[in-house]
Amino acid sequence: NAGVTQTPKFQVLKTGQSMTLQCAQDMNHEYMSWYRQDPGMGLRLIHYSVGAGITDQGEVPNGYNVSRSTTEDFPLRLLSAAPSQTSVYFCASSYSISLEAFFGQGTRLTVV
Amino acid sequence: GESVGLHLPTLSVQEGDNSIINCAYSNSASDYFIWYKQESGKGPQFIIDIRSNMDKRQGQRVTVLLNKTVKHLSLQIAATQPGDSAVYFCAENMPYNNNDMRFGAGTRLTVKP
Repeated sequence: NAGVTQTPKFQVLKTGQSMTLQCAQDMNHEYMSWYRQDPGMGLRLIHYSVGAGITDQGEVPNGYNVSRSTTEDFPLRLLSAAPSQTSVYFCASSYSISLEAFFGQGTRLTVV
Repeated sequence: GESVGLHLPTLSVQEGDNSIINCAYSNSASDYFIWYKQESGKGPQFIIDIRSNMDKRQGQRVTVLLNKTVKHLSLQIAATQPGDSAVYFCAENMPYNNNDMRFGAGTRLTVKP
């Protein structure tokens, strides 16, 4: 049982480039979410999904897009990377929006 | 705005001592709280949760206390071990914001041998 799998683990982008952070879970969880973690600021919710075909914005959604075509996958897209998006990104899944979340190992993204 | 916060950003304890990590919350409507542990280079890991209809909940070597009167949450770790060294986050649900979880900034616990 792999849990929540994120790829890649590390990524360096140039300003203006686009990329997709992948997230997959094998626990059949309906709820999935993306957070970013910056020093001294804890985890902040970017986008979340309560099920396939349903997504919504979190606390800091600007500059990010998501889609949820299957229960298992929840990719996060950066359309035009900016240095302010340098951060560690975590994907999480849970049975419900307000229950224990299972986190992936994180993606460390640097935008230069 | 309302936010989850922590009193102590860093905490250093001797191995074998008890640790207490504190968290203040300001959203009086929050009714569910979680403590997470994050080791270096890893994602947060669930430790224990508590609902607002309780004021204490115990797990294995950990106890969470909730004081709704002063909006305070604490995590007590008994007989702290080197493996407990990590950053600890409290999180509260946001009932008036889609019920998503909001995280505090975290407290770094260092256990000295």
